[in-house]
Amino acid sequence: GNSVTQMEGPVTLSEEAFLTINCTYTATGYPSLFWYVQYPGEGLQLLLKATKADDKGSNKGFEATYRKETTSFHLEKGSVQVSDSAVYFCALSDLGPGTYKYIFGTGTRLKVLA
Amino acid sequence: EAQVTQNPRYLITVTGKKLTVTCSQNMNHEYMSWYRQDPGLGLRQIYYSMNVEVTDKGDVPEGYKVSRKEKRNFPLILESPSPNQTSLYFCASSPTGLAGGTGELFFGEGSRLTVL
Repeated sequence: GNSVTQMEGPVTLSEEAFLTINCTYTATGYPSLFWYVQYPGEGLQLLLKATKADDKGSNKGFEATYRKETTSFHLEKGSVQVSDSAVYFCALSDLGPGTYKYIFGTGTRLKVLA
Repeated sequence: EAQVTQNPRYLITVTGKKLTVTCSQNMNHEYMSWYRQDPGLGLRQIYYSMNVEVTDKGDVPEGYKVSRKEKRNFPLILESPSPNQTSLYFCASSPTGLAGGTGELFFGEGSRLTVL
């Protein structure tokens, strides 16, 4: 079945460091890919998405490119801030006859130190 | 304000005592879904609904029930809660429905349930 694998955390970085959180997926067909962010005590909110191969999603300085050849959707940011400390989830939407599911990775906790 | 509202936000209950977690959205979304979040396991889908009176099992439906009598509401029912249902629960909605699409999920703030 379809699945999402993302790197284990926690990831601890100093402010202004470069961030990469790896995400790979297995899927039949052509899923849409998402990154969600969860700040402490809150629900998840969409960070960015990409709906087809080679699409780049971007928001708030974060970017991710839909790479079908490597089945990856890695999240990157050039210079992280303390306010970026959160849990990040990679996800895909699984479309099929009569079904519409979202599949999430296990989440990666990011801690940014001042 | 567009939102997904869950209640209660926190609940401590005992084994076997039926409970309902309500979920309501004001965005006229067709798709609604319930997830549980557990350490090391991420979010796992419990049930989802693609429209009124259309519901289907997710990956971990055992011990849960849902109903979708109105478009805006999607309650999660635990008929006989057990300690392994202690978790953080999230309701979400999306404009995606039977027509398909790639819509984002809008999440509620979560309901932390403890079953003793």
